[in-house]
Parts: sequence; C-alpha cells; structure tokens
Amino acid sequence: GEDVEQSLFLSVREGDSSVINCTYTDSSSTYLYWYKQEPGAGLQLLTYIFSNMDMKQDQRLTVLLNKKDKHLSLRIADTQTGDSAIYFCAESPWDQTGANNLFFGTGTRLTVIP
Amino acid sequence: KAGVTQTPRYLIKTRGQQVTLSCSPISGHRSVSWYQQTPGQGLQFLFEYFSETQRNKGNFPGRFSGRQFSNSRSEMNVSTLELGDSALYLCASNLAGGVDTQYFGPGTRLTVL
Repeated sequence: GEDVEQSLFLSVREGDSSVINCTYTDSSSTYLYWYKQEPGAGLQLLTYIFSNMDMKQDQRLTVLLNKKDKHLSLRIADTQTGDSAIYFCAESPWDQTGANNLFFGTGTRLTVIP
Repeated sequence: KAGVTQTPRYLIKTRGQQVTLSCSPISGHRSVSWYQQTPGQGLQFLFEYFSETQRNKGNFPGRFSGRQFSNSRSEMNVSTLELGDSALYLCASNLAGGVDTQYFGPGTRLTVL
C-alpha cells in the first residue's frame, strides 16, 4: 500500500524559514498536497503541486518536488507564530475508477519559537 | 461560498451504540470522502461517494457504512461502537472526484465510553 513518511517534529525561530519534508511511494500520484491542521480543527488545504512540476511558489510557501526520489518539501518563508500547527503531506494515487482518495503522512508538528 | 459543514461537532456514545454523522459539501461539489483521524493510526481513508454511489472504500470493517443523497449531502454510520472508534471523523468534498483538490470540514469528534 501507499506509505507517506514525514518527520514528526520541527522547531524554528520566528522569522526563520521552515522546511518540512515528505517522501511518498506511489509514482502514479498525479497531485501531491500540503494540508495544515490547527488544534481542534479540520484540515486546511495550503497548496498542491501537479506531478509534472518541479516547483510551485505561493506567497510565503514554496513546494519542491523531486519525482525521481519521490520527495516533496514545503518551505515556509518568514515563519510566524501563527504557522505553528501540524502539516500533512498527502498523495492521491491514480485510480481507474476515477476515485480520489488521499493517503496522508503522519504529520509534522511545527513549533515556532518567538 | 460556504465551506464543508459537518454535524454534530462533538458526540459522546457508549460501546454497542450506533452513530450517524452528517456532511454537507461545498455547493456544486459532487464527491464526498470520509476520513478517520486517530493519534495511533493517523488519517485513514474510509470511503468516497460520487453521485450517490460508493466509488472507493478503505480498509475498515463493515460496521462503517455511508450513503450520499441526491443533493450530495452524505452521512456515515458506525454500528456497534467500540472504544477504538473514538476519533475525529473528517469529511472532504471536491468538485467531481478524480484528480481534484479536496476541501475538508471541521470534523466530528466522536468519543466512545
């Protein structure tokens, strides 16, 4: 089955950049996603990248995709205390039925130190 | 445009009971997926409905079931509740299923005593 791996914890100082890494297994995944979850809340879609792209930038967020190594990263520039949350990467393997189920990593808890 | 809504937000049940959770997708979205989130197992896919048909199912026992109505609203049901069913149940909707971004609701926190 699909196996998406992330490191569990990351601490950074406010104003620094954060880099959250993820490795996935299914090369058929067409889209790869980053979601943010704050305490007691659901998942907020942050950004996503199409599998034929290497990089996508969206304001403070930069996603890098190395398809050969099946490695995905999320860089948050100028990290703020409001960025403290759990970040999940997810892959969406191609399914011939057209179904779209996500396989999530374990989540990385980002702590921003003031 | 209103987001995905889930009701109730919190629920407490006892072992052996059954429970029904509801999800209203974003207007115009036809695909609804359900996920279970627990500290031990993380986020796991339960099932997906599209146009009132279950199109995909995760690896959960038959006690977990769902349905989708003609207005795309979806319900999931868990029968004969077990302590291990305590979790945050998340619903996600997307426009047409397939390769498309999913938008999540706030979840229903189910506690089984």
